[in-house]
Amino acid sequence: SAVISQKPSRDICQRGTSLTIQCQVDSQVTMMFWYRQQPGQSLTLIATANQGSEATYESGFVIDKFPISRPNLTFSTLTVSNMSPEDSSIYLCSAGNENGYTFGSGTRLTVV
Amino acid sequence: GQQVMQIPQYQHVQEGEDFTTYCNSSTTLSNIQWYKQRPGGHPVFLIQLVKSGEVKKQKRLTFQFGEAKKNSSLHITATQTTDVGTYFCEPGNTPLVFGKGTRLSVIA
Repeated sequence: SAVISQKPSRDICQRGTSLTIQCQVDSQVTMMFWYRQQPGQSLTLIATANQGSEATYESGFVIDKFPISRPNLTFSTLTVSNMSPEDSSIYLCSAGNENGYTFGSGTRLTVV
Repeated sequence: GQQVMQIPQYQHVQEGEDFTTYCNSSTTLSNIQWYKQRPGGHPVFLIQLVKSGEVKKQKRLTFQFGEAKKNSSLHITATQTTDVGTYFCEPGNTPLVFGKGTRLSVIA
């Protein structure tokens, strides 16, 4: 299965600033996704990162707040824009195909 | 997307006891995946079930897919402290949509 390198692993950011999270996969994968997870909660899908086209966002998430790039089949970024304390969470990327998916190790974001 | 109910939400067991978590859907699933997330970690893929009535084993873990492909279970025999974590089922959608998970704690 694919191996994902996600960075940064954690960050503390000032409100109003932006943070870009990167995920690098060690092989070409069809599907990549971005999730948010509050402590003790399940994973909430933010968007599907589509290679060569705009990401597909889930209800409650918009491109202006969470712009996503997917320039090729091995790399994607998620930006958390104009951050507020409510954006404090763990952000995870996932990649794979119908035979199984792998997760990055997550980015623990704290907005102060 | 398809939604699943996962029960129980929490389970506390004594080390050595068995543990089972259930995943139930109101609609027929094409397949189902199970993931484990350790405290402070990220979800790790455990298994995929595709066939009606399928049973798969991984050491002390037994995974079942119901005959109607609407429910699934994960059973752990003789739990160990290393089994601690949250177990999620995922009903084979693209994109992945997870159940709320069952958080297992094991008391040594």
